[in-house]
Amino acid sequence: QSALTQPPSASGSPGQSVTISCTGTSSDVGAYDSVSWYQRHPGKAPKLMIYEVNKRPSGVPDRFSASKSGNTASLTVSGLQAEDEADYYCSSHAGSDTYVFGTGTQVTVL
Amino acid sequence: QVQLVQSGAEVKKPGASVKVSCKASGYSFVSYYVHWVRQAPGQGLEWMGVIIPGDSSTTYAQNFQDKVTMTRDTSTRTVYMELSSLSSEDTAVYYCARTRGSTMDVWGQGTTVTVSS
Repeated sequence: QSALTQPPSASGSPGQSVTISCTGTSSDVGAYDSVSWYQRHPGKAPKLMIYEVNKRPSGVPDRFSASKSGNTASLTVSGLQAEDEADYYCSSHAGSDTYVFGTGTQVTVL
Repeated sequence: QVQLVQSGAEVKKPGASVKVSCKASGYSFVSYYVHWVRQAPGQGLEWMGVIIPGDSSTTYAQNFQDKVTMTRDTSTRTVYMELSSLSSEDTAVYYCARTRGSTMDVWGQGTTVTVSS
């Protein structure tokens, strides 16, 4: 399986929005409504931010939203805050109990 | 509370094997799959495989087919990931994660494995 494609970096000023794309294929992102997004701060374990394309776990601010169209999923962080500065990874089910992660995007709050 | 607690950091020589543990608590151990994910220095997350604690069946990523073995011990609620024929490319942080449905919702704290002569 090839990794899902994400832009290496994204940035925005506090209060602005940033959108990260996650492009896969018709065998993973396009095939299943099982895209998740994870936030990872240095030295910490990944934290689930979005699951099943656009659902937020309890405790995740509604500034985080996501969607999917065809083979591409997107995560939007609105009202950027300093604590949003982190690496973000998408993942998708890829059939037969296999999964694939995105290449990761480093979000910088300017 | 629901948590996965992993074993401590390991330093191994090239060619050796390493076995990392992941102890579950706070939920029905046999009802959730457990995945292993690694992150090498400067690299992204890489899915390694999954074990179903209920019946110990496994699915491994193609890149790890001949390199990883995942097992479980239901009496201690622990999942193990063994990596063989280690090389410097296996230096990474290894995470276990539980799946709820198709979502990795709870993660272990990570175990650093360093391969160095």
